[in-house]
Amino acid sequence: NAGVTQTPKFRILKIGQSMTLQCAQDMNHNYMYWYRQDPGMGLKLIYYSVGAGITDKGEVPNGYNVSRSTTEDFPLRLELAAPSQTSVYFCASSYNGLIANTGELFFGEGSRLTVL
Amino acid sequence: DAKTTQPPSMDCAEGRAANLPCNHSTISGNEYVYWYRQIHSQGPQYIIHGLKNNETNEMASLIITEDRKSSTLILPHATLRDTAVYYCIVRSQGGKLIFGQGTELSVKP
Repeated sequence: NAGVTQTPKFRILKIGQSMTLQCAQDMNHNYMYWYRQDPGMGLKLIYYSVGAGITDKGEVPNGYNVSRSTTEDFPLRLELAAPSQTSVYFCASSYNGLIANTGELFFGEGSRLTVL
Repeated sequence: DAKTTQPPSMDCAEGRAANLPCNHSTISGNEYVYWYRQIHSQGPQYIIHGLKNNETNEMASLIITEDRKSSTLILPHATLRDTAVYYCIVRSQGGKLIFGQGTELSVKP
């Protein structure tokens, strides 16, 4: 298994540009998450999804959109990039079931985004 | 969501036990305590979790007080590779994991 794969690993955007951060997992996990981490700070939850077709806001959703059309993929869209969105973005997945429910999150390697 | 409070930083001598405290005084009865760590700029790594009883695995032990208002993560024999930021998290309903600021553990030779 590849685990959680994020692309791109690095990206520089100009203010006002749009882009999509891709996230894919091959572990058949039902839950997926997007976090951002600013320098020297902890992780902030942007959006999460409990299954295909279902998404919900986290702590800092403004300026972002997500979709979950398949179990495997959970892309994060930035519509109008702003310098405040300069951060490292982590995608994660977990399996949450009625019986087996460890809640353990598996993280990708991160995508480093700079908005100039 | 229950909040957690951790000291911002701690030091530990290599080979000694590292005891990382966490306060979660508003935890609900069905909420679990999770511990993750983040080494440098990598993605966080799961360590251990528990509800009421103490837990142990190959990485660490988790001690939860009887009233569940606090817990301690124990790394029994800290190594230099355990230098990381350690996050104590209380899992809310709906599967969200909300990270706090964590404790930056420095293991020194």
